[in-house]
Amino acid sequence: QSVLTQPPSVPGAPGQRVTISCTGSSSNIGADYDVHWYQQLPGAAPKLLIYGNSNRPSGVPDRFSGSKSGTSASLAITGLQAEDEADYYCQSYDSSLSGLVFGGGTKLTVL
Amino acid sequence: QLQLQESGPGLVKPSETLSLTCTVSGGSISSTSYYWGWIRQPPGKELEWIGSIYYTGSTYYDPSLKSRVTISVDTSKNQFSLKLSSVTAADTAVYYCATVYSSSPDWFDPWGQGTLVTVSS
Repeated sequence: QSVLTQPPSVPGAPGQRVTISCTGSSSNIGADYDVHWYQQLPGAAPKLLIYGNSNRPSGVPDRFSGSKSGTSASLAITGLQAEDEADYYCQSYDSSLSGLVFGGGTKLTVL
Repeated sequence: QLQLQESGPGLVKPSETLSLTCTVSGGSISSTSYYWGWIRQPPGKELEWIGSIYYTGSTYYDPSLKSRVTISVDTSKNQFSLKLSSVTAADTAVYYCATVYSSSPDWFDPWGQGTLVTVSS
């Protein structure tokens, strides 16, 4: 059971906006550690999508955005496309566990 | 552009030591800009950080695996390696190596393609 909680699945229709939440606690996100997000396409390695809560690496479309507030973070995807169907993971640090931690992952299904 | 590639046996017997190597291309493993890390993903499960290393050999590990993990670096070959001892079926996973950006906290980019290691007799 991960210390970062994500919904197991999120559905969305093409063109729609979806959000994926990542809920933590006072020993991780709430302790002012940043949150990073990764996209894992089927059968592929994870790819960095957002770093430092809201920064996009070069090449990542601006349809992807991240935010953080209190003990939670969110990934938003606008103008949903079929190619966005993937697993999404948040990542931070937990001071109680003294290590880097990932969320359980969210499977985004484009209907 | 940095590229990473994992290599090593795909099958390891229970109680033995899992050994993997990550070869870095497109840049020097001795760069002062990065660390280098290992992450694994059991089939159908979430990602799990294993540990990271700097080119000087300085390491930090996930506390839950620390007693069984050794990560080392070979700057002459532009490679870093993972050893995980006393493996069990629970260690069956896809193992990824990645470039680590030191921050608060660290993030991983890019990743290798991953290699599946199965622990079975």
